[in-house]
Amino acid sequence: DAGVIQSPRHEVTEMGQEVTLRCKPISGHDYLFWYRQTMMRGLELLIYFNNNVPIDDSGMPEDRFSAKMPNASFSTLKIQPSEPRDSAVYFCASTHSGRGTDTQYFGPGTRLTVL
Amino acid sequence: GIQVEQSPPDLILQEGANSTLRCNFSDSVNNLQWFHQNPWGQLINLFYIPSGTKQNGRLSATTVATERYSLLYISSSQTTDSGVYFCAVALDTGRRALTFGSGTRLQVQP
Repeated sequence: DAGVIQSPRHEVTEMGQEVTLRCKPISGHDYLFWYRQTMMRGLELLIYFNNNVPIDDSGMPEDRFSAKMPNASFSTLKIQPSEPRDSAVYFCASTHSGRGTDTQYFGPGTRLTVL
Repeated sequence: GIQVEQSPPDLILQEGANSTLRCNFSDSVNNLQWFHQNPWGQLINLFYIPSGTKQNGRLSATTVATERYSLLYISSSQTTDSGVYFCAVALDTGRRALTFGSGTRLQVQP
């Protein structure tokens, strides 16, 4: 299995621009998570989906952030408009329920820099 | 929300030494994972261990759920063990999201 795939790996943009991050979960996994890592706040959940349905978006910072999962093999996290304080590493993770383990597998992350 | 505390925050070892990292959590959990974040930023799964003991090579982990702590043991450390070790838990309420500790930064010197 290829593991969780994220793109792009690095993104540099200017304040005010729209940014779209992409994630392909491990095939057969029914949960998908978006986390963000910053120096100030560490690793924190933004949103997670089960069977393509958003379950908990309590970590989404504000209306500038939105996430979608149109099908079981693809999710996007969009920031519009972007701000310098959005600079962080964004991780996508996935897991499969019902196999006696809830191990979450993480993608390589997208390092976002907003100038 | 649940609190996850890791200790020590920083650790410097000579190659070949052993170490123990600790994770305390404030509520009942149904998921506990240990991760290693390497210098390239990748989060590598080490253990899924909501209870009990597991071993994988030079690494082992023990979780005592009733006392709300977990330990990660690293034996015969190597320079490639350097990085940040995170403990992450999910509450025993059905909510799947992981709450991460602040990590232990390990530096293994040759």
